[in-house]
Amino acid sequence: NAGVTQTPKFQVLKTGQSMTLQCAQDMNHNSMYWYRQDPGMGLRLIYYSASEGTTDKGEVPNGYNVSRLNKREFSLRLESAAPSQTSVYFCASSAEGAAPYEQYFGPGTRLTVT
Amino acid sequence: AQSVTQLGSHVSVSEGALVLLRCNYSSSVPPYLFWYVQYPNQGLQLLLKYTTGATLVKGINGFEAEFKKSETSFHLTKPSAHMSDAAEYFCAVSPYNQGGKLIFGQGTELSVKP
Repeated sequence: NAGVTQTPKFQVLKTGQSMTLQCAQDMNHNSMYWYRQDPGMGLRLIYYSASEGTTDKGEVPNGYNVSRLNKREFSLRLESAAPSQTSVYFCASSAEGAAPYEQYFGPGTRLTVT
Repeated sequence: AQSVTQLGSHVSVSEGALVLLRCNYSSSVPPYLFWYVQYPNQGLQLLLKYTTGATLVKGINGFEAEFKKSETSFHLTKPSAHMSDAAEYFCAVSPYNQGGKLIFGQGTELSVKP
């Protein structure tokens, strides 16, 4: 039982390049989330998916797209990376309908955009 | 919009001393409340959570938190700090009836001096 896994662990991009961050969970959770973590700002929600086939914007969605490929996988895509997207990205999942919605986090992807 | 405020971005205590990390939220309806811990270069791990019922909540590693509705607070405490407690701590709220989304505070980095 691996929990929430993320790939890659580290990535360096040049401005304008694109990439996809992958996330998978093996806990049969319905809900999945993408956050970014920046110093002094805590974690901010980028996008979330309450169930397979649905996605919604969070607090900071600009510059990102997501795909809920199936119940297990939720990917985050940067179409044209910008230095402002340098951050640590976390994926999380939770069981729907079972308040209080404890979220389980992956180990993170550290992204640098030069 | 709901917000979470953690007083003090950095707290330093001596080993064996009391740990007190402060968290206040803005909400007229008590949300679900969480404390997460993040060790260096890792994802977030749930320490404890408040849903309903008993206002003093016990978590892992000897931590506990008390929900005080009148003060809209959920401060985290541990009677005796250990070197292994050095980490970043995040308070988070899940607003009632908003599908499990978490709103995080800015985080407090705890240092423990020998």
